[in-house]
Amino acid sequence: KAGVTQTPRYLIKTRGQQVTLSCSPISGHRSVSWYQQTPGQGLQFLFEYFSETQRNKGNFPGRFSGRQFSNSRSEMNVSTLELGDSALYLCASFDSSNTGELFFGEGSRLTVL
Amino acid sequence: QQQVKQSPQSLIVQKGGISIINCAYENTAFDYFPWYQQFPGKGPALLIAIRPDVSEKKEGRFTISFNKSAKQFSLHIMDSQPGDSATYFCAASMGGYQKVTFGTGTKLQVIP
Repeated sequence: KAGVTQTPRYLIKTRGQQVTLSCSPISGHRSVSWYQQTPGQGLQFLFEYFSETQRNKGNFPGRFSGRQFSNSRSEMNVSTLELGDSALYLCASFDSSNTGELFFGEGSRLTVL
Repeated sequence: QQQVKQSPQSLIVQKGGISIINCAYENTAFDYFPWYQQFPGKGPALLIAIRPDVSEKKEGRFTISFNKSAKQFSLHIMDSQPGDSATYFCAASMGGYQKVTFGTGTKLQVIP
């Protein structure tokens, strides 16, 4: 089985721009969650989707949004980028019937200049 | 508000030694406590997990110790190897995978 695929792996943007990141979960997994990873802050929960519905949302401003498609692929969008948005954005998929293991992709490294 | 506190931030251990990473949580509704291991350039991967109905779980050289009354849990890596050098995250959640709360991570370096 292929793992979680995230694209792009690296990207550089400037302040004020917007960015869209993509995540393809493991085949058969209907749930996807997104995390922001920064040094010293660990992994901060952004949101979680199941069958195209957002089930949980973390404490991030409205500039951060996401969606999930009928094929379980997910995208997250960050508008009006700020320097502090520079981070590794991780997507994780999981099978709701399992014990709770998250399967992470390798992440999308965003640098905001 | 951070709900899972992890220490130390970094750790250097000699090969063959014991690595110990500690975590404390606040929310007593948490019922699943996993540890994830992350190598540079990779996403985190589940290492070992425990539920609060047991006080210890061992898988190979890795052991989780859980103290429900103190709301603390720890990871012990016995006979630490250079290949164990990675960042380790403790985590906690309710209902398994939903809205997992992670600690801030511990960067472990095992020196030969």
